[in-house]
Amino acid sequence: AQSVSQHNHHVILSEAASLELGCNYSYGGTVNLFWYVQYPGQHLQLLLKYFSGDPLVKGIKGFEAEFIKSKFSFNLRKPSVQWSDTAEYFCAVNANSGYALNFGKGTSLLVTP
Amino acid sequence: SAVISQKPSRDICQRGTSLTIQCQVDSQVTMMFWYRQQPGQSLTLIATANQGSEATYESGFVIDKFPISRPNLTFSTLTVSNMSPEDSSIYLCSVVGRGNTGELFFGEGSRLTVL
Repeated sequence: AQSVSQHNHHVILSEAASLELGCNYSYGGTVNLFWYVQYPGQHLQLLLKYFSGDPLVKGIKGFEAEFIKSKFSFNLRKPSVQWSDTAEYFCAVNANSGYALNFGKGTSLLVTP
Repeated sequence: SAVISQKPSRDICQRGTSLTIQCQVDSQVTMMFWYRQQPGQSLTLIATANQGSEATYESGFVIDKFPISRPNLTFSTLTVSNMSPEDSSIYLCSVVGRGNTGELFFGEGSRLTVL
């Protein structure tokens, strides 16, 4: 079955630490990949997306993600996190079956001062 | 971008009752979806709301339980019928942005608690 897996459910980091959140998907064929963020009390917002081209994509707030087709992965990274990055992060995939997205279970990130 | 307003933002409901959630978008959009986010879980697609025709439901969701209306390109409703505590969730409306970029925009959600 098609699925999106996020490996880390809860991550706690100190400010200035580096972040990498894993995301793997099990779709065949062409995929479009997304990372969304949900800050406490706010709605989901797009961090970045990959459709084609350079597999290293840069998003807002210093986030980036790398699409590795051979590994079916789209990991999210940030070199130095801030307290304001505390949020829930969701990886999502669109496998060209329409525009609806299939989401991973999310990773809760807590950044401590 | 698209600005999406949902009503109610939250509600507490009694078992066996039904509640209708409204979704209003600030611009005409072709694609509109309803998602559910159960406590501690990810977002699960309920259905695609089709303008002028019946919604397209995902596996595990049926029209009798989640009837959806989409009378025009800026508005949709989702009804949660005959509610049980298992229906306690956040229900989210989402739309594809102008230009069909593939990005989904989300409302702030409607948090339902069923007692």
